Amino acid sequence: EDQVTQSPEALRLQEGESSSLNCSYTVSGLRGLFWYRQDPGKGPEFLFTLYSAGEEKEKERLKATLTKKESFLHITAPKPEDSATYLCAVHGGSNYKLTFGKGTLLTVNP
Amino acid sequence: DAMVIQNPRYQVTQFGKPVTLSCSQTLNHNVMYWYQQKSSQAPKLLFHYYDKDFNNEADTPDNFQSRRPNTSFCFLDIRSPGLGDAAMYLCATGTGGASNEKLFFGSGTQLSVL
Repeated sequence: EDQVTQSPEALRLQEGESSSLNCSYTVSGLRGLFWYRQDPGKGPEFLFTLYSAGEEKEKERLKATLTKKESFLHITAPKPEDSATYLCAVHGGSNYKLTFGKGTLLTVNP
Repeated sequence: DAMVIQNPRYQVTQFGKPVTLSCSQTLNHNVMYWYQQKSSQAPKLLFHYYDKDFNNEADTPDNFQSRRPNTSFCFLDIRSPGLGDAAMYLCATGTGGASNEKLFFGSGTQLSVL
């Protein structure tokens, strides 16, 4: 069974203080690793898909990287509007199921 | 423009009183999913439709049912809601590609059970 573990559960940063979120996974045959952003009371919003170890994707202050066992979401010089829960999910095996982690709640203080 | 629309945003029901949540999509995607998300928890897949084919997760309680009358609409029926069913219910769509199943989520329905 596919498993996703995210750490830390919560992270508080000052505006401009860069950091990284971790997503560790076990999956039989990775088809894709996904990062989503979820604001309170809303559905997840797609950020990135990574398919193979060594791949990197960037969007504004966010950069996602992938190894064979984990993915990192690097946040460079964050702003208060980056505050949200960041969810990691994997798609493995032969079905359509995405398995999600519990997420990291990021708070960026001005 | 919203592409996956869930109604209502907030639903309050009484213990044991049946409730239906709805989802519509303008993406013409083959696959529609229902996820349950409790506070600070991972979204948990309940079931999904690939076109008209229904796929139930093994651990989804019988209390939860779903209908997909056409490509655009999908409903989640909770026959006898219990207190433990209070959660955010998320509808999502996908193209059904064999790999890279990027999902598009609606804003969710927050269900309260009194």
